[in-house]
Amino acid sequence: DVKVTQSSRYLVKRTGEKVFLECVQDMDHENMFWYRQDPGLGLRLIYFSYDVKMKEKGDIPEGYSVSREKKERFSLILESASTNQTSMYLCASSPPSRVNQETQYFGPGTRLLVL
Amino acid sequence: AQSVTQPDIHITVSEGASLELRCNYSYGATPYLFWYVQSPGQGLQLLLKYFSGDTLVQGIKGFEAEFKRSQSSFNLRKPSVHWSDAAEYFCAVAGERGYQKVTFGTGTKLQVIP
Repeated sequence: DVKVTQSSRYLVKRTGEKVFLECVQDMDHENMFWYRQDPGLGLRLIYFSYDVKMKEKGDIPEGYSVSREKKERFSLILESASTNQTSMYLCASSPPSRVNQETQYFGPGTRLLVL
Repeated sequence: AQSVTQPDIHITVSEGASLELRCNYSYGATPYLFWYVQSPGQGLQLLLKYFSGDTLVQGIKGFEAEFKRSQSSFNLRKPSVHWSDAAEYFCAVAGERGYQKVTFGTGTKLQVIP
């Protein structure tokens, strides 16, 4: 079974702090994704990565950055946390797209509260 | 641009009753379509997916979905709901980019009453 783990289930930070959210997958997947989930808005893509050291902006990248130094690990960074970044953050991974779009496998999520 | 609409924010059904969750998509060509389920406190799990071929797709946990191109729909169905099906359900569409940009709907929360 594919396993995607996220470093924290719950996190409380103060405005202005630098926040790191870590995601690790154990299936040697090329693609990794960071989403945020908010009530009534569904999942919105922040960033994704299709290879080590490669990244692309998703729909809402402002205020976030990412790092992918190793294939299995994809980090989301909030350079200076703000209250409007309070949300549930979901990481996902998938094998490379060939002809068809492959399934994404999700971690359990990190619920971040910024005070 | 691709998009997904789930018109029902919240649905309540009785245990044992049938279920249909609606999903409409917008995409220029043949889309790749997915249904995911999120149980409370969990990440998302794939229920089923449609890429091509038979328009009626079977998934896990007794769910099925039917792709209807003429209606731009991909509704999820289950003939008899169990209390453990209470969760949030997300429809998703992909196909526009090679690197799997998937667009999710806003979700439908299912409540199951005894």
